[in-house]
Amino acid sequence: EAGVVQSPRYKIIEKKQPVAFWCNPISGHNTLYWYRQNLGQGPELLIRYENEEAVDDSQLPKDRFSAERLKGVDSTLKIQPAELGDSAVYLCASSQETYNEQFFGPGTRLTVL
Amino acid sequence: AQKVTQAQTEISVVEKEDVTLDCVYETRDTTYYLFWYKQPPSGELVFLIRRNSFDEQNEISGRYSWNFQKSTSSFNFTITASQVVDSAVYFCALSEARSNYQLIWGAGTKLIIKP
Repeated sequence: EAGVVQSPRYKIIEKKQPVAFWCNPISGHNTLYWYRQNLGQGPELLIRYENEEAVDDSQLPKDRFSAERLKGVDSTLKIQPAELGDSAVYLCASSQETYNEQFFGPGTRLTVL
Repeated sequence: AQKVTQAQTEISVVEKEDVTLDCVYETRDTTYYLFWYKQPPSGELVFLIRRNSFDEQNEISGRYSWNFQKSTSSFNFTITASQVVDSAVYFCALSEARSNYQLIWGAGTKLIIKP
């Protein structure tokens, strides 16, 4: 069974530029998560989807971050415009249901110059 | 207040030694779940185990074992006969209904296995 797929793996951009990350969850997983992880810290939840619905986006900085999960499968996370402080690893995870274990993708390492 | 405490920031042992990673949690829910994840230097978070609050049986998987004790709110992880490939950051996490089952992460323990 294929795991969670993310692309790109690495992205370097200049501040004020836009950037987008893509995630394909494990087949059959209804719940999809986007996390941000800074060096030496645990992941921080940005948004959680149940199928197409964003059910928890309280920690998503909505002035510059947006996300979508069309058709309840793939998801895209966008930052526009990027700031220096957005440099981090962006992780996507999926689970069958909210209370099940989450499986993580390899992450996208974003560097904002 | 810290809901998941991993007091050991970093542990360093020599290969083949046994090592225990501590995890203490705090919750008022009667139904909750506990998790351990491994994050090797490559960066990908790897799921190791999930335990629900009604199952206090200890779990063994190869060289890995977990000791869940509700009386002390602990969910400790032991690696027997450690190997260099076990070197990673290990995270303990809690999910509970009152937090919509959002994973509450500990700070992680960096485990270094020396050859």
